[in-house]
Amino acid sequence: AQSVTQLDSQVPVFEEAPVELRCNYSSSVSVYLFWYVQYPNQGLQLLLKYLSGSTLVESINGFEAEFNKSQTSFHLRKPSVHISDTAEYFCAVSAKAAGNKLTFGGGTRVLVKP
Amino acid sequence: EPEVTQTPSHQVTQMGQEVILRCVPISNHLYFYWYRQILGQKVEFLVSFYNNEISEKSEIFDDQFSVERPDGSNFTLKIRSTKLEDSAMYFCASRERSAGGQETQYFGPGTRLLVL
Repeated sequence: AQSVTQLDSQVPVFEEAPVELRCNYSSSVSVYLFWYVQYPNQGLQLLLKYLSGSTLVESINGFEAEFNKSQTSFHLRKPSVHISDTAEYFCAVSAKAAGNKLTFGGGTRVLVKP
Repeated sequence: EPEVTQTPSHQVTQMGQEVILRCVPISNHLYFYWYRQILGQKVEFLVSFYNNEISEKSEIFDDQFSVERPDGSNFTLKIRSTKLEDSAMYFCASRERSAGGQETQYFGPGTRLLVL
């Protein structure tokens, strides 16, 4: 079984400031790692994912996350946030097998202030 | 861009009533999922469905729940006799088939169910 912990339930941040959202996981098997974003009144959208290879993965809108196997972490960062980044961010894992479910963290609500 | 759709967006029902939540997955996808999120809690896996049968289900998915793909396009979640604690946002997701399960799951916008 897998579990995911997002340590911060809410992160207020000023526009153009950096932000880091923390995610730690536990699993007895190898996993894939994901960050999903949920904008107000919308569904979950994939932001980025780590499957294998380079431990640093990037999204098209400036977010990046680094897989750290020794610390079982997959923290999400953005060097400069915009008002439009206000959303809830979910870290998730799935075991490396076909058809497997996602296990989510509790989510971190990011509120970007002008 | 193709997307997963869900209907209705909101549903209010009385305790003990049956509800059916509907989802139209992306057309070439073969794996289907239901998740739910009780207000203030984590998104939780309910069930996965592949090749017209349940491939995995959680402890939440008891005999009151069932899923069906009645016509090759819709994917439904039925709650036979709703309880107050079934009030939640229900998300449908789908993905293509691939070895290892690394393909992205695409989520619908959710159905907010309120049981009174």
